[in-house]
Amino acid sequence: GAGVSQSPSNKVTEKGKDVELRCDPISGHTALYWYRQRLGQGLEFLIYFQGNSAPDKSGLPSDRFSAERTGESVSTLTIQRTQQEDSAVYLCASNPGVGRGRNTEAFFGQGTRLTVV
Amino acid sequence: DAKTTQPNSMESNEEEPVHLPCNHSTISGTDYIHWYRQLPSQGPEYVIHGLTSNVNNRMASLAIAEDRKSSTLILHRATLRDAAVYYCILRDSGSARQLTFGSGTQLTVLP
Repeated sequence: GAGVSQSPSNKVTEKGKDVELRCDPISGHTALYWYRQRLGQGLEFLIYFQGNSAPDKSGLPSDRFSAERTGESVSTLTIQRTQQEDSAVYLCASNPGVGRGRNTEAFFGQGTRLTVV
Repeated sequence: DAKTTQPNSMESNEEEPVHLPCNHSTISGTDYIHWYRQLPSQGPEYVIHGLTSNVNNRMASLAIAEDRKSSTLILHRATLRDAAVYYCILRDSGSARQLTFGSGTQLTVLP
C-alpha cells in the first residue's frame, strides 16, 4: 500500500475484554513504532521495533500491553483485560530504519480509536 | 534524549508568515532537528528536518541557530489548513531510537 494502514479504525470494547490492533507498515520499512494518544494529550511512546533486533518495550504502561512483529511485516498491539483508562487513539508509524535513512521521516497511520465502556 | 521546549500555543492570521520557535539547549552534535505536525483527528505528519544548515521544502522552512540550541519553523503564508499541533523533536543520527514527542505548539490560524 501507499502508506501505513491501521485496523480497525474504531473499536468499542467492554471493560475486561482483550483487544488486538493491527498495523501494516510501508513495505520495506524496518522500523515500526506504536504510540498512544489520550484525548487532548500528546503522543506517548509504547514500543519500537527495528528489524530483527529486540524491541524497545520501555514505554509499555503495564504487562497487560504487548506487541508482536515478525520481521519487517505486520505488527499487532494487544491489550488484555482492557480498562477505561486504555481509551485512546493508538497510532502506528514506520520508517526506513537503521542504516537506511534513519533520519528521514516517519510515516504515521490514521490510528485506531479505542473506547472501553 | 535531549529535550525540546516549545510554547503551548500561538495564533496567526491567515496568509501571514508564522514563526514557531523551539529551544533545545542540550542538543548533541549528532542530533537532527525534526518537525512534525498533527492536524485534527489525524496522525502526525512529517514537515521538515535539518542538522546545521537552514532547510527549505514545499511545506516550510527550518532556520537553525548557529549554536544549534534553538530552531524556528517558518510557514511562509499560513492557511486555515495549517492549524495543527506542531512538534519539534531531536533525533540522534548515531542510534536507531524511537521518536519522542513533547507537548508541541497548538497553532491557531485566524481568518
